[in-house]
Amino acid sequence: AQRVTQPEKLLSVFKGAPVELKCNYSYSGSPELFWYVQYSRQRLQLLLRHISRESIKGFTADLNKGETSFHLKKPFAQEEDSAMYYCALKPLTGGGNKLTFGTGTQLKVEL
Amino acid sequence: NAGVTQTPKFQVLKTGQSMTLQCAQDMNHEYMSWYRQDPGMGLRLIHYSVGAGITDQGEVPNGYNVSRSTTEDFPLRLLSAAPSQTSVYFCASSYTSGRAGSYEQYFGPGTRLTVT
Repeated sequence: AQRVTQPEKLLSVFKGAPVELKCNYSYSGSPELFWYVQYSRQRLQLLLRHISRESIKGFTADLNKGETSFHLKKPFAQEEDSAMYYCALKPLTGGGNKLTFGTGTQLKVEL
Repeated sequence: NAGVTQTPKFQVLKTGQSMTLQCAQDMNHEYMSWYRQDPGMGLRLIHYSVGAGITDQGEVPNGYNVSRSTTEDFPLRLLSAAPSQTSVYFCASSYTSGRAGSYEQYFGPGTRLTVT
């Protein structure tokens, strides 16, 4: 079974401060990890995936297999980053398309 | 492309009523799924489909039915609404195959359902 844990329900930071949204996972095989973002009352959209090793809107996330973590980071928070962030996992191979989501972290960037 | 569309956007039901939430996608995706989003619970998978005529249960299927007669449409039926089904419902779709690093589920705008 696969499991995704986001320990923080709410993270509040000041504009310009660094941001780190935590995500830990449990899965016996090779995972594919994602971060999805949901701006106020909008649909979920993909922010980034670990395989691409991309940086989107200044956010990065590195898969740490030793610590089974995929934390989302940004060096300087902007007001427009305020949103709900979900970490998600799917099996890299052989597990179909089912995404398992964490419970989400609400990021609030204050002025 | 319209992507993933859902109707209605809002719905209020009385306990015991039935209704169907509509979902359609125009990207020729084989895989479609329904989630419910509740505060503190994240997104939980209700039902999913890997192609027309094939459906399966997710994590929280009780009280919901689905069918997939076409690639484009994946309606979710509430058989007898209960207050515990008050939630925001999201439909999503994706390809079932492709190279690693290209996978993405596309979400609809959601349906906000209240059961009184």
